[in-house]
Amino acid sequence: DQQVKQNSPSLSVQEGRISILNCDYTNSMFDYFLWYKKYPAEGPTFLISISSIKDKNEDGRFTVFLNKSAKHLSLHIVPSQPGDSAVYFCAAWGGTGNQFYFGTGTSLTVIP
Amino acid sequence: DGGITQSPKYLFRKEGQNVTLSCEQNLNHDAMYWYRQDPGQGLRLIYYSQIVNDFQKGDIAEGYSVSREKKESFPLTVTSAQKNPTAFYLCASSIRLAGGPGEQFFGPGTRLTVL
Repeated sequence: DQQVKQNSPSLSVQEGRISILNCDYTNSMFDYFLWYKKYPAEGPTFLISISSIKDKNEDGRFTVFLNKSAKHLSLHIVPSQPGDSAVYFCAAWGGTGNQFYFGTGTSLTVIP
Repeated sequence: DGGITQSPKYLFRKEGQNVTLSCEQNLNHDAMYWYRQDPGQGLRLIYYSQIVNDFQKGDIAEGYSVSREKKESFPLTVTSAQKNPTAFYLCASSIRLAGGPGEQFFGPGTRLTVL
């Protein structure tokens, strides 16, 4: 059973606009969340994380929002740039296994 | 430079043969992980190891085996029992930080094709 879900497999955004990528999870024991960016045939690279004790974390153009009551997190990229075009994975950590659980990814295309 | 190396980048094997994928890290991380990525799917955990000489099964461990004899190395063997081994395999490592697991660092991946 998929404990972390990214329901939008793809997203297209104009350059300079905001990109919003969404992620839902089912396990209330998760206490740490991360976003990764992945290019084809490469390993994912870490973008930004948030602890469950916070509801927002910002790093430059990237902001992650966490809504624990809704079991939902989102990644905002503003302004979006063509180099942001990649697959974005959200991941959650915690639960009984102390392991990372990844979503299925959202492919972001930023149109110049 | 510190990082994670996986070799080879592309690997071809005949059906029925075992194959071992290499993963080495010089980040001094205690934890290491193996994931599999298939088209349209997320990263699925095969095995992970929190410490030398100890490892745990992930969600899809059947048909795979691992060893963790050294902190730096976590090789994955894809056995002939794995029904659908063709996939992109990713190795990762992480360090535990105060208040959270710390980020995972990923290797470049190995594309395994079984003919």
